[in-house]
Amino acid sequence: DAGVIQSPRHEVTEMGQEVTLRCKPISGHNSLFWYRQTMMRGLELLIYFNNNVPIDDSGMPEDRFSAKMPNASFSTLKIQPSEPRDSAVYFCASSLVRRAVYEQYFGPGTRLTVT
Amino acid sequence: AQSVAQPEDQVNVAEGNPLTVKCTYSVSGNPYLFWYVQYPNRGLQFLLKYITGDNLVKGSYGFEAEFNKSQTSFHLKKPSALVSDSALYFCAVRDTGYSTLTFGKGTMLLVSP
Repeated sequence: DAGVIQSPRHEVTEMGQEVTLRCKPISGHNSLFWYRQTMMRGLELLIYFNNNVPIDDSGMPEDRFSAKMPNASFSTLKIQPSEPRDSAVYFCASSLVRRAVYEQYFGPGTRLTVT
Repeated sequence: AQSVAQPEDQVNVAEGNPLTVKCTYSVSGNPYLFWYVQYPNRGLQFLLKYITGDNLVKGSYGFEAEFNKSQTSFHLKKPSALVSDSALYFCAVRDTGYSTLTFGKGTMLLVSP
């Protein structure tokens, strides 16, 4: 299994530009999570999907952030317009919710730098 | 609400010595507890979890964790540390009735040769 795949691994962009981060979950997993990691705030859950449906987006910081999951094998996190304070590592994770308790499997992350 | 605390930002231990990374939690129902490890420039990797049953849980790379309900703790342990264990360790909790994990802020483990 290839694990969770994220692209790009690194993104450098200028303030005001649109940024799109991509994630391919592990095949057969039915839940997908987007996290943001910074030194100041640690690991924050932004949004999670179950069976491609957004369940909880209360962690999305602003309307500039949006996420989609058009099918079971692909998700995007978009920031428009981007700001320097969005600089962080963004992780995607997936899991199989078949039993009561499950672990999440993380991708390698996308390091975003907004100048 | 569910929460987890890792009281130490950093733990230093010499190679060959036992190590402990502390974690305490707060939940309303029954806790499901997890440990993850993050190496530099990598994503989080699952180490072990406690669901129910035996309070001592064994996981990957020789790590284990002890669930203590009375102290609401789930400390990560290893009998003999390796330099390669140096990494950032995260504790996470999920309460019954919740669908997501809450992660602690992480503890940096540094194992010196």
